[in-house]
Amino acid sequence: NAGVTQTPKFQVLKTGQSMTLQCAQDMNHEYMSWYRQDPGMGLRLIHYSVGAGITDQGEVPNGYNVSRSTTEDFPLRLLSAAPSQTSVYFCASRSTGTTSNQPQHFGDGTRLSIL
Amino acid sequence: QQPVQSPQAVILREGEDAVINCSSSKALYSVHWYRQKHGEAPVFLMILLKGGEQKGHEKISASFNEKKQQSSLYLTASQLSYSGTYFCGTERGGSNYKLTFGKGTLLTVNP
Repeated sequence: NAGVTQTPKFQVLKTGQSMTLQCAQDMNHEYMSWYRQDPGMGLRLIHYSVGAGITDQGEVPNGYNVSRSTTEDFPLRLLSAAPSQTSVYFCASRSTGTTSNQPQHFGDGTRLSIL
Repeated sequence: QQPVQSPQAVILREGEDAVINCSSSKALYSVHWYRQKHGEAPVFLMILLKGGEQKGHEKISASFNEKKQQSSLYLTASQLSYSGTYFCGTERGGSNYKLTFGKGTLLTVNP
């Protein structure tokens, strides 16, 4: 069972470089989201999507772009990386279905360092 | 708005009990609980829906007090494997399925 797959697992960038973090899920989940996790801050929502062609901002969207052209994929783009974006990034998906009692499934994370 | 978790950290000896609390200032539709071990992804434990239900998973159970907008996670007879950081994620009605997570509670179980 693949679940939520994130690539790459590790990445080092220089300030100003751009990069796309990939996220794919094979559970046909409508809802997908991106979080960043920093020490002592918990998981903070960057962007989310409730279906193909629909995206919206979370708590900390600045510096990040997303798109959702298919149900399966939800890439996160850093247009001009900054040291403050050094973090662990988690992609997650969730079935919406007819009720809201569905768990959120997380990918294994991407550990990103900006020098 | 992030829910508030307490305590921030707790240290137990194997076999002891612990309670982790999660509070929100906003009306909630559901509360989700996750456990994360160091270097790994959060793992789902359980969901509590409004209505004050209590659910259980192994020796871990939780409750949701809708009037207080507070959920509590109960860990009984703790095992070494319970060590990790526990997060609550809250969902508000009409929020498009968004989960907002607390800052976490670090639980350490020692032999």
